[in-house]
Amino acid sequence: KAGVTQTPRYLIKTRGQQVTLSCSPISGHRSVSWYQQTPGQGLQFLFEYFSETQRNKGNFPGRFSGRQFSNSRSEMNVSTLELGDSALYLCASSPRAGGPPDTQYFGPGTRLTVL
Amino acid sequence: AQSVTQLDSHVSVSEGTPVLLRCNYSSSYSPSLFWYVQHPNKGLQLLLKYTSAATLVKGINGFEAEFKKSETSFHLTKPSAHMSDAAEYFCVVSDRGLTGGGNKLTFGTGTQLKVEL
Repeated sequence: KAGVTQTPRYLIKTRGQQVTLSCSPISGHRSVSWYQQTPGQGLQFLFEYFSETQRNKGNFPGRFSGRQFSNSRSEMNVSTLELGDSALYLCASSPRAGGPPDTQYFGPGTRLTVL
Repeated sequence: AQSVTQLDSHVSVSEGTPVLLRCNYSSSYSPSLFWYVQHPNKGLQLLLKYTSAATLVKGINGFEAEFKKSETSFHLTKPSAHMSDAAEYFCVVSDRGLTGGGNKLTFGTGTQLKVEL
C-alpha cells in the first residue's frame, strides 16, 4: 500500500497570503489528522476529520481550517499568514476514528516558510 | 487532559551500548501510549504502541518499551545502539478528544539521540 502523501513538500509564501496544503491518506483509511511542528512549540495537534466531519480540534486560531472530501483526501488552509506559521505541517491517517485510539501513520510533511 | 514528559532532551551513547529514553505520562484513565521516531527531514515513523495488552511492548528495529502503571512510565530501550538509530524520538499519548472518540495525539517534547563511534 502507498503511504500517506502530502503536497506540496515545500512552500514559500509571504505574510498576509493564504495557503492550501493537501493530504492523501493510506487507501482505506478514513481518519485524517493534521499537526504543526515548530522548534519552539514542538508537535501540536491542529484538527482531525472523519467522514468529511471535523471530529476534534486543537487550540489554533480560526485562520487555520480544514476539510475532508468523500474520498478521504484532506486539505488544510491557513489564511492571512504570519511569520510564526512557518513550520512543518504533518498529516496522519488512521483506519477509523471511534473505539480505542488508533495507530496514526504520518506523511513526510509540507515545509511552509513565511517571509 | 493527558500529557507526557520526556525527561531528557538529549541522550548520547556509544555504538553497541544500551539505549534508554525516558518518558512519564499523566492520564485520567488507561492510556494508549506510542513511541515515534523522526529522522532528519523525514516524517514520523511508529516504533511501537501500548494499548492495555502486554505491558512489555516490542517494536521495530530492536526497540521495546515497558508500561509501568505504578510509576506512570513508558521508557524506551534498546540493548545495542546502531549509528542508524540517531534521530529524534517522541513519546506520545492518545486522547479520545472532546467527543469521546477520535484520535488526538499529544506529543512529548522529544529526545534527540546521538550515537557515537
